[in-house]
Amino acid sequence: EPEVTQTPSHQVTQMGQEVILHCVPISNHLYFYWYRQILGQKVEFLVSFYNNEISEKSEIFDDQFSVERPDGSNFTLKIRSTKLEDSAMYFCASRDAGLNNEQFFGPGTRLTVL
Amino acid sequence: AQSVAQPEDQVNVAEGNPLTVKCTYSVSGNPYLFWYVQYPNRGLQFLLKYITGDNLVKGSYGFEAEFNKSQTSFHLKKPSALVSDSALYFCAVRRYNTDKLIFGTGTRLQVFP
Repeated sequence: EPEVTQTPSHQVTQMGQEVILHCVPISNHLYFYWYRQILGQKVEFLVSFYNNEISEKSEIFDDQFSVERPDGSNFTLKIRSTKLEDSAMYFCASRDAGLNNEQFFGPGTRLTVL
Repeated sequence: AQSVAQPEDQVNVAEGNPLTVKCTYSVSGNPYLFWYVQYPNRGLQFLLKYITGDNLVKGSYGFEAEFNKSQTSFHLKKPSALVSDSALYFCAVRRYNTDKLIFGTGTRLQVFP
C-alpha cells in the first residue's frame, strides 16, 4: 500500500539554524500539506500546496517558513531561523484529486530546537 | 471559526465491550468530518469520513461513526473493542470550501484484556 514517507524521523538543531524537513508524498497525489503538533497539543495546519504554489496557509506559517517541491517526488518544509517554540512533530500529508478525498499522513519528523 | 472538541482525554474499555469516542464540532456551512488514529511512532491513519448522505458511516477495522447535525456531533463507535484498538484517536473537520483540517485534541483509547 502506498504511503507518505518523511525524513529524518528526528532532527535536533540549534536555535537560529536553518532546517529542511523532507517528505515524499504518494506518487499520484496532487495536493500536499504540512501540519505540526507541539507536544501535548493538537495537530495544527501550517500550509497547503497545489500546482507548485501555496493554496492556503495559517498564521503560524510566517516568513520564516517556506515550502518547495524541488522535483517530481519530494516536498520540503524549510524553517530559516529556528526558534525554541518551533520544537514539534511535523507531519506531511497528501491527497489525490477530488475535494472529498481524505488526506494521507506521513509518520512525522520530530524537530527539537535547543 | 472552525473548531473540534474531544471532551475525553482518555477512554477505558474492556475488550469485547462496545466503545464510543466523542467528538463535537463547530463550523459554518456543511462540514466534512474525519476520524484518524495514531499508533506509537506512526503517522495519522485515516479511519473514516462523512461528506454527505447516510449519517452512519463505516470505516476501517470495524469502526463506524454517526453524524448528528442537530447535536453537531460525530462520535466514533465500535461494537466490540480489541486490545489492538488501543491508540490515540483524532477527530477533524474541514469546511466545504477550504482544504485544511482542523483537529481535536485527541482521545487516548485504552482497551484492557
